Amino acid sequence: DVKVTQSSRYLVKRTGEKVFLECVQDMDHENMFWYRQDPGLGLRLIYFSYDVKMKEKGDIPEGYSVSREKKERFSLILESASTNQTSMYLCASTTGAGGGYTFGSGTRLTVV
Amino acid sequence: GIQVEQSPPDLILQEGANSTLRCNFSDSVNNLQWFHQNPWGQLINLFYIPSGTKQNGRLSATTVATERYSLLYISSSQTTDSGVYFCAVEDLYDYKLSFGAGTTVTVRA
Repeated sequence: DVKVTQSSRYLVKRTGEKVFLECVQDMDHENMFWYRQDPGLGLRLIYFSYDVKMKEKGDIPEGYSVSREKKERFSLILESASTNQTSMYLCASTTGAGGGYTFGSGTRLTVV
Repeated sequence: GIQVEQSPPDLILQEGANSTLRCNFSDSVNNLQWFHQNPWGQLINLFYIPSGTKQNGRLSATTVATERYSLLYISSSQTTDSGVYFCAVEDLYDYKLSFGAGTTVTVRA
């Protein structure tokens, strides 16, 4: 089975800190995604990537950036964390072309 | 983007009961998946079902792509079935998933 690993289950960061959320998949998938999940708002796409060094904005990219230097790793970066970025962050990967998505276990980020 | 509507929003079941969850979507799609979100927040893939019917134990799913809906059936429900069930569809032109708002299922012993 495809495994998608997120480096932290829980994180607490201070306002203004630079935060890195890491995601690694082990099945050579081309496509990787970052979502955030908030009560009442569901899952919303932040950024995605179809290949190494490629990135595309999702529906809510403001305040975030991403990095994909290697195919298996997709990092989400909060340049200057704010309290409204407190959320559950979910990473996913897929082969594309009709292949199913696999999600990581999620990172609950709290910004204080 | 594609609109995804799930119903009902909440469902309370007695252990052993059967239930049906519905997902309607607004446009043709490449793929449809059903997920179960466990209490720790992880999304567990239940079915990848762009069309047709699949079964996995007490769970089964049917997608009628031409009519743009999918159904998830839970039979003989157990307390471990509790959680949020999401339907998500993949756009025809890219690989982005659009999620429904979910159905929260509570199974009582």
